[in-house]
Amino acid sequence: KNQVEQSPQSLIILEGKNCTLQCNYTVSPFSNLRWYKQDTGRGPVSLTIMTFSENTKSNGRYTATLDADTKQSSLHITASQLSDSASYICVVSGGTYKYIFGTGTRLKVLA
Amino acid sequence: SQTIHQWPATLVQPVGSPLSLECTVEGTSNPNLYWYRQAAGRGLQLLFYSVGIGQISSEVPQNLSASRPQDRQFILSSKKLLLSDSGFYLCAWSATGSAYGYTFGSGTRLTVV
Repeated sequence: KNQVEQSPQSLIILEGKNCTLQCNYTVSPFSNLRWYKQDTGRGPVSLTIMTFSENTKSNGRYTATLDADTKQSSLHITASQLSDSASYICVVSGGTYKYIFGTGTRLKVLA
Repeated sequence: SQTIHQWPATLVQPVGSPLSLECTVEGTSNPNLYWYRQAAGRGLQLLFYSVGIGQISSEVPQNLSASRPQDRQFILSSKKLLLSDSGFYLCAWSATGSAYGYTFGSGTRLTVV
């Protein structure tokens, strides 16, 4: 069964600290993996997209990694800011026009 | 560049009233279009997807329907809303070929009272 699991479910950190979010998937075949940031009451916005051959991709303070062998991805946020407070969603494509969504990690950054 | 528009942003409707949410995409042709619903504190649930005009696939049985009258227009409808239809509705599009992934609209917050 195609599934995407994210951990932790929620996370609270202090401003300026780093954090890492995890995404494990069982989607097969695998085409690409995307991390989205969703602010409360808004649509998700893409942060990174990685295909099978890519191990890491950065977007400013966001760095995503992918291990296609273990079917794991992580999103690392460096020097967190209050504006990083949001839900982060991992989405995996199996090569069709349907995508498998994780339930997200809710991040709260405190001053 | 491609853009996706979704409206209205918020909507409060009484039980039993009809619903029409509209989504349009600009700057691309023959997009795959999707309607998702997100319940409070939950993940995204795929409701409908469309790979072409008049082609609608439903993922879950429900009180809603979708239509695609034009290539870049996707409409979510209901004849009679239920309380359980409340939620956050997102329209999304993807280009043919999965490498692009989704681009989401800004969402519609629907409250059925």
